Amino acid sequence: EIVMTQSPASLSVSPGERATLSCRASQSVSSNLAWYQQKPGQAPRLLIYGASTRATGIPARFSGSGSATEFTLTISSLQSEDFAVYYCQQYNNWPPGENTFGQGTKLEIK
Amino acid sequence: EVQLVESGGGLVQPGGSLRLSCAASGFTFTDYWMYWVRQAPGKGLEWVSRIYNNGSPTNYADSMKDRVTISRDNAKNTLYLQMNSLRVEDTAVYYCVRGYCTNGICSVFEYWGQGTLVTVSS
Repeated sequence: EIVMTQSPASLSVSPGERATLSCRASQSVSSNLAWYQQKPGQAPRLLIYGASTRATGIPARFSGSGSATEFTLTISSLQSEDFAVYYCQQYNNWPPGENTFGQGTKLEIK
Repeated sequence: EVQLVESGGGLVQPGGSLRLSCAASGFTFTDYWMYWVRQAPGKGLEWVSRIYNNGSPTNYADSMKDRVTISRDNAKNTLYLQMNSLRVEDTAVYYCVRGYCTNGICSVFEYWGQGTLVTVSS
């Protein structure tokens, strides 16, 4: 079973600044890594798949990078609507047994 | 427009059963693998089950294996999750999700319904 670990658990950043979120896999998932954004009371939204490909309609300020076991989601110039919880998900090893998601990083306004 | 509308959630006693439904529209249902993902109150996301576009095979998370059955009616564009022997820890919002295929893998969670709340309590 692959365990996904996100860091930090929470992050305080000022609007207009850059946020960097990390996700680590316990073993290689190649580039089969996705990122999701979830706002309170809403369903998650797909941001990035293939580690670095933005989903349809996702602004260019969201970018993903990494491969194998280390991944990063970067949000440049944070907007007010970007403050949310972010989850990474591996889809290289399926079915995953238990969870396929990281535990999430809460991005808060500083 | 892709729409996934869940129903069937509610309050159930421990040991009880519930069947969730997800009505899909705006796309060719038979082209996609479908999933259930849940989220306990204040907690993270947890994959529950997967079903291929033609109904087989199916997969289940270890936490719910042997207690849930995923199925689909492609004629009705509807996904189901039959849940039995429910436990307090199964309390969660259950999301219906459409899979997206990339590089031969169809396990990116592209579209999500708004979810249906299942509360297991005496």
